[in-house]
Formats: sequence, structure tokens, C-alpha cells
Amino acid sequence: AQKITQTQPGMFVQEKEAVTLDCTYDTSDQSYGLFWYKQPSSGEMIFLIYQGSYDEQNATEGRYSLNFQKARKSANLVISASQLGDSAMYFCAMREGGGHYGQNFVFGPGTRLSVLP
Amino acid sequence: GAVVSQHPSRVICKSGTSVKIECRSLDFQATTMFWYRQFPKKSLMLMATSNEGSKATYEQGVEKDKFLINHASLTLSTLTVTSAHPEDSSFYICSARGGVYGYTFGSGTRLTVV
Repeated sequence: AQKITQTQPGMFVQEKEAVTLDCTYDTSDQSYGLFWYKQPSSGEMIFLIYQGSYDEQNATEGRYSLNFQKARKSANLVISASQLGDSAMYFCAMREGGGHYGQNFVFGPGTRLSVLP
Repeated sequence: GAVVSQHPSRVICKSGTSVKIECRSLDFQATTMFWYRQFPKKSLMLMATSNEGSKATYEQGVEKDKFLINHASLTLSTLTVTSAHPEDSSFYICSARGGVYGYTFGSGTRLTVV
């Protein structure tokens, strides 16, 4: 079974509007971390945001926020005020297990976001 | 913050030759590094886990003789694609255990075998 599910292979959003990229995960660990990365066409993986399983507040980093619903095992990324430069692949990832590194690091299949002018 | 440098960013090689890709942690010691392969429009696939001073652990289905990994120091891991063939063309990316959230990625290497 997939550990990370991203059900939207592709998404379109109008410039300046907000967009939500879905991510659900599957783990039996109590301690884990959730990540979102952006991968532009250049290929580099750009870290966007992190949410720890014990964090009670949703993580926010500038225009990025993570809508963490633990009971639903959901960690959606919300991008506010989309910009043309936000067009890229977005990956949800999970670090399983406790501690700073956990035992395992898995990626979802990704969502390609296209921002329309 | 933690930085991982990966070189080269792009390489074109002839079929049958070997190519070495380097992954360096610049401002922290990384006892464990990871190598991923990414096919076009696909997610990252873990190839192997590299531990300093010991043999790498390869994921199932990854040919260890084809993809040689060496982690001889706390800041450097190398991936050598031996006797490269066109089907080895791909995007390879490394990550290191380190940084605020535990994992830091290199910028990737696009390998084209002609």
C-alpha cells in the first residue's frame, strides 16, 4: 500500500488565487514528520514546509501553509496568492519513526501545478 | 543552514563509459546519505543508503555492480554509474541526514547516455 497519496496528478490555478494540493498518508507510528517540496523544471528539491506529528498548530511559511488533520491523516498544502513562479511539481513526503531522522523517508507521486496568467 | 552540494548538475556520456556523481555536505557532517533516481514525471525512487565507512545498502532491484556507492568521508558520498547505457539516463539526486528537519537534498544530476 502506498504510504503517501497525492490524488491530483495535475492542477491549474489562476495567478493570485489560492490553491490546495492534497496529501494523505498512512503510518502506524505516533511520531512522524510531514514535508512538502517543490521541484521546478531545473530538478532541485526545494523544501517548503514541515509539520511534526505532535505539532498542534498548522505550519506556515510565508505564502505556504499546511492544513494538518491528524485524525484524517491528511496534510494538504495551501499556497496563497499564486505566482507564475509557483508552477512546478510538488511532492508530499513523510519521515516515519521518532527522533530527528526517523527510520524511513518516503515521497508521494507528486502533483504538477500550473499557474495561469 | 545545512547545504548539500551535488556535482555535476548535468553530464552527457558515451555508452559504455562510467560517470561519477558527487554529493557533499558543506557545513555539516553526514554519516548517512541517500541516492535517489527520478524518471520523467515520476516521483523519487530510493536507490541506496550510504553510510560513512561501510558498504551501502541497496534497495531491491537496484544493481549494486552498476551503481557503485562510496562514502569514504563524513562529507562526501559518490555514485558511479558503471558501463552506462541509454537506459541509465535519468535524474539522480542525493540527500544527507542533517539540517533542521533531518534531511537536506542536493540539486540533482541529469545524466544523459548517448
